Parts: sequence; C-alpha cells; structure tokens
Amino acid sequence: AQSVTQLGSHVSVSEGALVLLRCNYSSSVPPYLFWYVQYPNQGLQLLLKYTTGATLVKGINGFEAEFKKSETSFHLTKPSAHMSDAAEYFCAVSAGTGANNLFFGTGTRLTVIP
Amino acid sequence: DTEVTQTPKHLVMGMTNKKSLKCEQHMGHRAMYWYKQKAKKPPELMFVYSYEKLSINESVPSRFSPECPNSSLLNLHLHALQPEDSALYLCASSQRTEVYTDTQYFGPGTRLTVL
Repeated sequence: AQSVTQLGSHVSVSEGALVLLRCNYSSSVPPYLFWYVQYPNQGLQLLLKYTTGATLVKGINGFEAEFKKSETSFHLTKPSAHMSDAAEYFCAVSAGTGANNLFFGTGTRLTVIP
Repeated sequence: DTEVTQTPKHLVMGMTNKKSLKCEQHMGHRAMYWYKQKAKKPPELMFVYSYEKLSINESVPSRFSPECPNSSLLNLHLHALQPEDSALYLCASSQRTEVYTDTQYFGPGTRLTVL
C-alpha cells in the first residue's frame, strides 16, 4: 500500500529564507513521487516529479526535491522564498497498482512573511 | 498546451436541482479523473476513465453520475445533492492510466455550493 505523510500542516518563512517542506512516503513498490502546488481557489499545478534516475529533481519556480530511499523521503526545497510562493503544497505518490491514481498527503500551507 | 478546462467556475444549486460539470482537454490524453476537494484537505479520487470507459469508481454515491462522451470530454452529472457535497470539484487528465509515471494535469476546478 502507498501513503504519504507531510510533516507540518503550516510552515511560515521570511521572504528570502530557505523553504523546506517535508514529505515521507510508504510504498510496497518503487515509488513515483510528485509535488503539486495549489494557489487559492485554483487547481493543482505540478512542481516536479521523481520517476527513476537522478535523485535530485529540479522543478518549476526554483523548487527542487531530493529522493532519499534510505530515509523514504522526498522533501521540497527552495533556496530563497518569494511572496508568490505562498500556497498549499501537496506531496503525492503514484499507486503502482494498475491505475494511475495518486495518493496525496494532507498538504502544507506555506506562508511567506515580508 | 497542457490545459484542462472546467466549466462552470462556480455553481450554486438546491438539493432538488440537476446540474452538470464539464471538463475538457485537447492533449490527446486517454485517462481522465474526477476529484472532490473539501476545504483544507487533499483531493479525493472519485472516478477514473480509461479510454472512455469507467475503470474506477471510489464508492461514490449514485447522486454523482460521470460520463465520458469522447476522449476529450468528461462530465459529472449532479442530482439530489446534499449540503455536505459542497466542495471544489477537480478534473484531471493523463496520457494513460497504466503508466504510473504519467503526470496528471489538473483543471482549475468548479466550486460547488449546495443549499
């Protein structure tokens, strides 16, 4: 079975500070991992995904995430937060059970303080 | 073009009304999805269509009725809804259902309020 745990439902950072959003997964098969961002009253937008190969994945808007199998983690980082980064962030794992559906974490709301 | 469109953007309906949500994509994707998202919660999968056939129904009440008229369109017909059905309804599409690495592209959602 697949599941995702996002530590911290709410994270606040100052503008220009490092952003770190945590995601740990559980999967009985090799996982495919995704980070999505959701701005208020909008749909989800893919930030980045890990499938195979390089464990450091670069995404849009300066975000990146590193797949660490030994720690079952896929944390999202950005060196310098911008006001426009304020949003809800969801980590998700692909089911791998015959249907391409996603198991989402409960989300982390990022607030950026000017 | 990686756009999924949804109409209407907002919908208010009474418990006796019948309404429909519409989703459209022109990316040639053969998998389409309906999700329900309550406030401050992650999306919950409702239905999956694969090659225009319903492949997954996550035990959704029959007052929600999906339809996939062709490979580009996905509808969700609503009838006799309850106030607790008020939520953001998201549509998504991906190239195929059987490839776990395929990205799901989401539409902006329809904000549904049931009075």
